[in-house]
Amino acid sequence: SQELEQSPQSLIVQEGKNLTINCTSSKTLYGLYWYKQKYGEGLIFLMMLQKGGEEKSHEKITAKLDEKKQQSSLHITASQPSHAGIYLCGADIAGSARQLTFGSGTQLTVLP
Amino acid sequence: EPEVTQTPSHQVTQMGQEVILRCVPISNHLYFYWYRQILGQKVEFLVSFYNNEISEKSEIFDDQFSVERPDGSNFTLKIRSTKLEDSAMYFCASRGAGPLRGEQFFGPGTRLTVL
Repeated sequence: SQELEQSPQSLIVQEGKNLTINCTSSKTLYGLYWYKQKYGEGLIFLMMLQKGGEEKSHEKITAKLDEKKQQSSLHITASQPSHAGIYLCGADIAGSARQLTFGSGTQLTVLP
Repeated sequence: EPEVTQTPSHQVTQMGQEVILRCVPISNHLYFYWYRQILGQKVEFLVSFYNNEISEKSEIFDDQFSVERPDGSNFTLKIRSTKLEDSAMYFCASRGAGPLRGEQFFGPGTRLTVL
């Protein structure tokens, strides 16, 4: 099984709708990162969560970390076409060097 | 704002050739990483580097790969004899040594195309 599962794999929403992407770890989470990526391009840092119960927001994007459930969720309120892209979660779950393990990504399409 | 830089942005090479991908991490950072992403697939960890030596490496990082910090600012990834399956985006990242594990900063990536 995957160490870091993202769901859903893809999501198509109408502009203005809210949406949630989940990231679940099979191991203890020491830190959880959310990135956005356009296909074939670099990673755009969104947020980092490190403490259980932590919640961060930036513009219309909110991320929460549930340490007990080993899970994080990314919520977008009132989605816009500019939110479209691939959302990746990366977690510090293993290794003394604290390298990140990434999920497979969620492809978000926002229809105008 | 400090950032990780990578050169070149795109490298095209023939199979069997050696390539060196370059990264300049953030200046006061202590931990350095290479990741790769084959197009359409996950970002995968390759290697981490701390205190002038490899601290961890993945199964992908075989004898064809090596890393170096030649001059205290650059951090390089060398692929000795490239294969078609090495075609991917390669990301460098660096991290400070602050409390709570600290944020990893990623560079913009080098797209490697092996023909």
